Formats: sequence, structure tokens, C-alpha cells
Amino acid sequence: GEDVEQSLFLSVREGDSSVINCTYTDSSSTYLYWYKQEPGAGLQLLTYIFSNMDMKQDQRLTVLLNKKDKHLSLRIADTQTGDSAIYFCAESPMYNTDKLIFGTGTRLQVFP
Amino acid sequence: NAGVTQTPKFRVLKTGQSMTLLCAQDMNHEYMYWYRQDPGMGLRLIHYSVGEGTTAKGEVPDGYNVSRLKKQNFLLGLESAAPSQTSVYFCASTFGVGGQEDTQYFGPGTRLTVL
Repeated sequence: GEDVEQSLFLSVREGDSSVINCTYTDSSSTYLYWYKQEPGAGLQLLTYIFSNMDMKQDQRLTVLLNKKDKHLSLRIADTQTGDSAIYFCAESPMYNTDKLIFGTGTRLQVFP
Repeated sequence: NAGVTQTPKFRVLKTGQSMTLLCAQDMNHEYMYWYRQDPGMGLRLIHYSVGEGTTAKGEVPDGYNVSRLKKQNFLLGLESAAPSQTSVYFCASTFGVGGQEDTQYFGPGTRLTVL
């Protein structure tokens, strides 16, 4: 099946690190993506990782990829209230490179 | 660049009415997509297009039709709206496949309520 799974909610205190997890289905996926959706808006790309990489860091964001377990995570360091949003992971499956498969999204709530 | 725009932003329909949602992009992207977003279900692909004049079914195509007569526009039609089609609809477009070129650019969404 084409299920990309994420937990629905995550709540963290401002200044702490957030870790959002995702499991995907297609081990041959070439690229994996993290998108952010702020309230009332469309999705925006945060970062992506190529399947031959284990880790990618971009300022406060760290993406970890475990291909063996088909597990992707997004770590946000020093989480701020402006990081409150829904975060979607997505995979680009080899069997159909015309589309992305999105996860259900994780709602991150940051409290003071 | 306006990016991806959607018209209208909000709409309320009665059961059985028809309507067309318009998506326009000014980035010369080949690929365009229509998704619906429902609570707890993430994004589900309705239809997509890999180029002008082409369309393909996604995950949940029933009750919807699409057309891509011009490269920059992708229309989503509801011929006979049903309450189950109450949702937020997002259009997206992308240049190609692979890496950052696979990045989908999203419109702001259309909130549709069917009574």
C-alpha cells in the first residue's frame, strides 16, 4: 500500500527540540520531503533528502533517514512559537515518479 | 511571480449543484495536481496532469473531473456536489521529477462546504 504514516500531534515547550517522525512504504523512493503548512495556508517545502544520504542539516533543521527501517525524522532545534504548524513528510516513489505520496501530517504545538 | 493561485477562496454549495475550481500557475510548470485535505487524513490526490492536454486519476477521483487545456491552468469540476465533498482543496504544480525540481508549489487553498 501507499501509506506514509505520521503521528497526529506533538506538543513541545518553546526552546526545546522537536522530533517529528515518519515511516514510508517504498524502499526505492529516491527523494523524501518535509513540508510545512501554517494555518490557513498551503504547504511549503522545508527541506528534502536524497535516498543515498543518512542526514541533512539546514540551520535549525536536521533530517535523519534510516533506509533499512524506512524511517524519516525531522528535528527542529530551539523550537519557537512560529514553528507551530502541520508538518507533512512525502516520498517520491520509484514506481510512479509523477507524484508524491504525502503522510497524514503532524500538528506541532509550541507552548511558552 | 504570483506562483500558484486558486479561485475562489471560499464557496458554499447546495447538494447537487455544480462548480469549477480554477488553478493557475505562472512558473511554466509541466505537472499540476489537485488534492483535498480532510482532518486526520492528510492530503489525498484527486487528479493530476503531467502536461498540457493530459490528465490522470489520483487516489480519490470519483465525483470530480479535470481539464488542462492550457499549460498554466488546471480546472477541477464537481458536476453534482455531495456533502462528502466538503473539504479544503489545494492545487500544486512542479517543474519536473527528482530532487528539488520535484518540489511542489502549493496554492492557498479553496474551502468548500456542501450543504
